[in-house]
Amino acid sequence: RKEVEQDPGPFNVPEGATVAFNCTYSNSASQSFFWYRQDCRKEPKLLMSVYSSGNEDGRFTAQLNRASQYISLLIRDSKLSDSATYLCVVNKGGNTPLVFGKGTRLSVIA
Amino acid sequence: GAGVSQSPSNKVTEKGKDVELRCDPISGHTALYWYRQSLGQGLEFLIYFQGNSAPDKSGLPSDRFSAERTGGSVSTLTIQRTQQEDSAVYLCASSSVGSQPQHFGDGTRLSIL
Repeated sequence: RKEVEQDPGPFNVPEGATVAFNCTYSNSASQSFFWYRQDCRKEPKLLMSVYSSGNEDGRFTAQLNRASQYISLLIRDSKLSDSATYLCVVNKGGNTPLVFGKGTRLSVIA
Repeated sequence: GAGVSQSPSNKVTEKGKDVELRCDPISGHTALYWYRQSLGQGLEFLIYFQGNSAPDKSGLPSDRFSAERTGGSVSTLTIQRTQQEDSAVYLCASSSVGSQPQHFGDGTRLSIL
């Protein structure tokens, strides 16, 4: 099992739609979780951290399910500018490096 | 500057030459990472430096690749005897410690002819 697994997509959705991405991780000792966004030919940028109780930032909601070892990202009212690749990122524990998933590609269509 | 700085931004070289890529992390960040990304592919982890600890070199694809971090700040990634398959964007990132979110530089786009 890969350390961090994501559905590669692409997800093609119309503007205004709600879309959800899931990510699973293999190491039960993982402690830190993040979602990054990467635009075409650009570097990844932090979108949001994921907290145990779930957290929201505007149209974006992140949730963590430790028992099932998965993380989700929900995007409501999709905008054209949300088109990007979304990367799930997990820390294996302690001061070890973050592990990136391969990413899920989202295309929002007018 | 406030962000992670990488140089050069683009590098074109002939097969067989050596190249050196530079990364200047955010001041005070103890963790530094190198990744590479081929077109349309995910990030490939190369090497991780955390403070004075021995670097995690588990991602280096061959002994042609090496990296140093001098004085806990600037890092250089060296690729010897470059091959065409080395062509990719090489990204550097830093964080305050390994478990915290990373901030990426703009990358070096390496093309091997």
